[in-house]
Amino acid sequence: DGGITQSPKYLFRKEGQNVTLSCEQNLNHDAMYWYRQDPGQGLRLIYYSQIVNDFQKGDIAEGYSVSREKKESFPLTVTSAQKNPTAFYLCASSIGQGSTEAFFGQGTRLTVV
Amino acid sequence: GESVGLHLPTLSVQEGDNSIINCAYSNSASDYFIWYKQESGKGPQFIIDIRSNMDKRQGQRVTVLLNKTVKHLSLQIAATQPGDSAVYFCAERNNAGNMLTFGGGTRLMVKP
Repeated sequence: DGGITQSPKYLFRKEGQNVTLSCEQNLNHDAMYWYRQDPGQGLRLIYYSQIVNDFQKGDIAEGYSVSREKKESFPLTVTSAQKNPTAFYLCASSIGQGSTEAFFGQGTRLTVV
Repeated sequence: GESVGLHLPTLSVQEGDNSIINCAYSNSASDYFIWYKQESGKGPQFIIDIRSNMDKRQGQRVTVLLNKTVKHLSLQIAATQPGDSAVYFCAERNNAGNMLTFGGGTRLMVKP
């Protein structure tokens, strides 16, 4: 089945540690995105990538890093510089620039203690 | 800055009634407006979009209305069902077509 997979679903880390969230898609989509969702709030864009080996900062990129070495993979690293990392992280992909339909993964809930 | 927001955080409707979810936007330059549905524990799912030069678009049991004069977007769900219970987000696509900006979400609760 085609889709977008995030892992793990739940993640716990100690404060000060970097952590990498996985996102893989087999939809052959060019564009991939990372969003952060806090309780009772909408989605805020962290980073996006329209093509392999290229990515752009979104609205809240500080404290995060990404890579896009392969078309199907777009991992997100939450660094120790992120002041408030506990949140629900959503990865999405779309056919490419211009598409209004993004396909989302199930999300990763990160808790930093 | 530019933003997309919603009027009501929670909407409770009786099963079978029609639902109307509202959204205000501030970026007049957006070329598409979109509605997404997010069920508990899942990622958002695309419902319907409308181009900025349209006023109305209909889908299966859903209708999106766009009023550019007052920068208002709404999603109408006909004959609301228990499976419609979810959080609904409006979103807008920037002119470059490479970013979707989401609003805060409205929770729709369907009473049996």
